[in-house]
Amino acid sequence: NAGVTQTPKFQVLKTGQSMTLQCAQDMNHNSMYWYRQDPGMGLRLIYYSASEGTTDKGEVPNGYNVSRLNKREFSLRLESAAPSQTSVYFCASSDSRRQTDTQYFGPGTRLTVL
Amino acid sequence: AQSVSQHNHHVILSEAASLELGCNYSYGGTVNLFWYVQYPGQHLQLLLKYFSGDPLVKGIKGFEAEFIKSKFSFNLRKPSVQWSDTAEYFCAVNGVNQAGTALIFGKGTTLSVSS
Repeated sequence: NAGVTQTPKFQVLKTGQSMTLQCAQDMNHNSMYWYRQDPGMGLRLIYYSASEGTTDKGEVPNGYNVSRLNKREFSLRLESAAPSQTSVYFCASSDSRRQTDTQYFGPGTRLTVL
Repeated sequence: AQSVSQHNHHVILSEAASLELGCNYSYGGTVNLFWYVQYPGQHLQLLLKYFSGDPLVKGIKGFEAEFIKSKFSFNLRKPSVQWSDTAEYFCAVNGVNQAGTALIFGKGTTLSVSS
């Protein structure tokens, strides 16, 4: 049982390049989330998917797109990377059908945009 | 607006000192409350959580937190810290009965424990 996995662990991009961050969970959770973590800012929600087939914007969605590929996988795409997107990206999942909903986090992707 | 405020940005303690990290939230409705810990270079791990019932909740590694509804607070405590508690601590909240509601995080408190 791997929990939440993310690839890649590290990535360096040049401004304007595109890339997709991958996330998968094996806990049969219905909800999945993408956050970014910046120094002194805590974690901020980029997008989330309450269930398979649905996605919604979070606090900081600009410059990102997401795809809920199936129940297990939720990818985050940067179409044209900018230096302001240099951050650590965390994926999380939860069983939000339960009232005692707890989110579990992946190991993160450290992205640098030059 | 929904928000979480952590009072201390950086706390420095000696081993065996007592710890209290403040957390206040602003959120309409019934809430779930969480403390997560992030050790250097690692991902977030759940330290403890409050959903309902006894407002004093105990977590892993000797941590506990008390939910005071009237003060909208959920402070984290530990009687005696260890060097291995050096980490960043995040308080977070989400709404009860809101499917797929993401967590709202505080900005974090960095704890440095010297041996």
